[in-house]
Amino acid sequence: NAGVTQTPKFQVLKTGQSMTLQCAQDMNHEYMSWYRQDPGMGLRLIHYSVGAGITDQGEVPNGYNVSRSTTEDFPLRLLSAAPSQTSVYFCASSLRDLSSYEQYFGPGTRLTVT
Amino acid sequence: DAKTTQPNSMESNEEEPVHLPCNHSTISGTDYIHWYRQLPSQGPEYVIHGLTSNVNNRMASLAIAEDRKSSTLILHRATLRDAAVYYCISHSYNNNDMRFGAGTRLTVKP
Repeated sequence: NAGVTQTPKFQVLKTGQSMTLQCAQDMNHEYMSWYRQDPGMGLRLIHYSVGAGITDQGEVPNGYNVSRSTTEDFPLRLLSAAPSQTSVYFCASSLRDLSSYEQYFGPGTRLTVT
Repeated sequence: DAKTTQPNSMESNEEEPVHLPCNHSTISGTDYIHWYRQLPSQGPEYVIHGLTSNVNNRMASLAIAEDRKSSTLILHRATLRDAAVYYCISHSYNNNDMRFGAGTRLTVKP
């Protein structure tokens, strides 16, 4: 299994540009999520999904959209990039509910918005 | 989810045990205690979790106080590879929104 994969590893955007961060998992996990981590800070939840076709907002959803058309993929779309969105983005997946099952994290995408 | 309190940083010597404390005084009966760690420049990785009883796995042990208001992550023999930020999370059953705090930065000295 490749686990959780994220692309790209690095990205530089100009203010106002849009882009999609890709996340995929090959473990048939129902739960997937996106976090952002600012320098020296803990992780903050952006959006999550408990299954294909179901998404919900986390702690910091503004400026981001998600969709879950398949079990494997959970892309994160930045609608109009702002410097405040400069961060490292982590995707994670879990077999089912977070209480009983561990989350597996991807290697992250480092995004810089100028 | 109940709020957790951890020390900002701790130091340990290589090959010695490490006890990482976590307070969660407002924890409810159905909140699980999870520990994750994040090595430098990597995504977090799961360490251990439990509800009431102490738990052991190949990475660590989790000791939960009888009143569940605190817990301790135990690394039995620290190695340099254990240097990381350790996150203690009190997570409600059936809550799909897991929140990470600032964690404890563990430094392991050779």
